[in-house]
Amino acid sequence: AQSVAQPEDQVNVAEGNPLTVKCTYSVSGNPYLFWYVQYPNRGLQFLLKYITGDNLVKGSYGFEAEFNKSQTSFHLKKPSALVSDSALYFCAVRRDNYGQNFVFGPGTRLSVLP
Amino acid sequence: DSGVTQTPKHLITATGQRVTLRCSPRSGDLSVYWYQQSLDQGLQFLIQYYNGEERAKGNILERFSAQQFPDLHSELNLSSLELGDSALYFCASSEGAGIYEQYFGPGTRLTVT
Repeated sequence: AQSVAQPEDQVNVAEGNPLTVKCTYSVSGNPYLFWYVQYPNRGLQFLLKYITGDNLVKGSYGFEAEFNKSQTSFHLKKPSALVSDSALYFCAVRRDNYGQNFVFGPGTRLSVLP
Repeated sequence: DSGVTQTPKHLITATGQRVTLRCSPRSGDLSVYWYQQSLDQGLQFLIQYYNGEERAKGNILERFSAQQFPDLHSELNLSSLELGDSALYFCASSEGAGIYEQYFGPGTRLTVT
């Protein structure tokens, strides 16, 4: 079975500081990993994905994520946080097989303080 | 704007009733996904269709069903509604059936009273 954990319900960071939102996963086979962001009263927006290749993935809005196979992690990072980054962030995983569905983590609420 | 549209935006109905939620994918996308988001369950994948055929199934109850039509729009039917079905229902679409990023609609907020 696939599963995703986001160990922090809430992350607070000061504007201009680096931010990290953590994600760990459990899946048999090759994982495909995604980060999505949800702003209030909106649907989810795609940020980035890891399929294969370079472990450091760059995405939208200056975000990046590092795939670490040995630690089964896919943490989301940004060098300098903006107040407008405040939102709910979801990590998702899917196996590489036909018919597999996506599993989303519980979400982490990021608050960037001015 | 993701290009995915969902109607209606809000729906209030009584227990035992049946409702239909509608989704139009982005132009050119062949896959449609349905998700349920609630405070206690988080974001749950329900079902995926690709070019009219069911592709993957998640935690979808037997009271719920979906289909994708030849014009690629999709409908999610929820019947014998219970209070616990109150949630945000999102539709998403993607270009293909495999590992593609999904584009989410704004959601339909269902309230069962």
